[in-house]
Amino acid sequence: ETGVTQTPRHLVMGMTNKKSLKCEQHLGHNAMYWYKQSAKKPLELMFVYNFKEQTENNSVPSRFSPECPNSSHLFLHLHTLQPEDSALYLCASSLKVGDAETQYFGPGTRLLV
Amino acid sequence: GQNIDQPTEMTATEGAIVQINCTYQTSGFNGLFWYQQHAGEAPTFLSYNVLDGLEEKGRFSSFLSRSKGYSYLLLKELQMKDSASYLCAVRDSNYQLIWGAGTKLIIKP
Repeated sequence: ETGVTQTPRHLVMGMTNKKSLKCEQHLGHNAMYWYKQSAKKPLELMFVYNFKEQTENNSVPSRFSPECPNSSHLFLHLHTLQPEDSALYLCASSLKVGDAETQYFGPGTRLLV
Repeated sequence: GQNIDQPTEMTATEGAIVQINCTYQTSGFNGLFWYQQHAGEAPTFLSYNVLDGLEEKGRFSSFLSRSKGYSYLLLKELQMKDSASYLCAVRDSNYQLIWGAGTKLIIKP
């Protein structure tokens, strides 16, 4: 499945660095999501964008800053991260938010702080 | 609070059948999803249940009982490639997906 791509696939950064994660979907979807996946924990929804508008922000620290310039692209800007932020960051998309829409996931970015 | 429970890890033999259970307590219910996630890869959609009963799709079947807050994923004729984590997720009354921590399934020859 190459409908949702993410770059980079792996990222090591110091606590004072600034980096960005990129997600692109080629499925014609209008909703995009950022999730955090830590070992042996449920997926944590971070942000939701529907038609480029942010509709969810689940109490995510301000050191994570999302950007959605259009329905096909989603970024997650990172700065002054903490070691507990090390995780797999997954991007997903769906036709729209709500109803029974299936979410399609990208391969993720493995982040080590 | 909202909660999804599923076993952390299961082991089964190639060619056998395995059932992965999922129980949930959520504010409302608008469907239950099962996803498969191989190590280092993206979760991929397996099944969706919104009404009670069994949905069959090839070697995989998913069952739902809304009154019991319970679902299971049944995998038949297990193959080595079925070794993966299986994620249960419930869509609540706000159409937000609540995820379980996943069940790691290990298949042995």
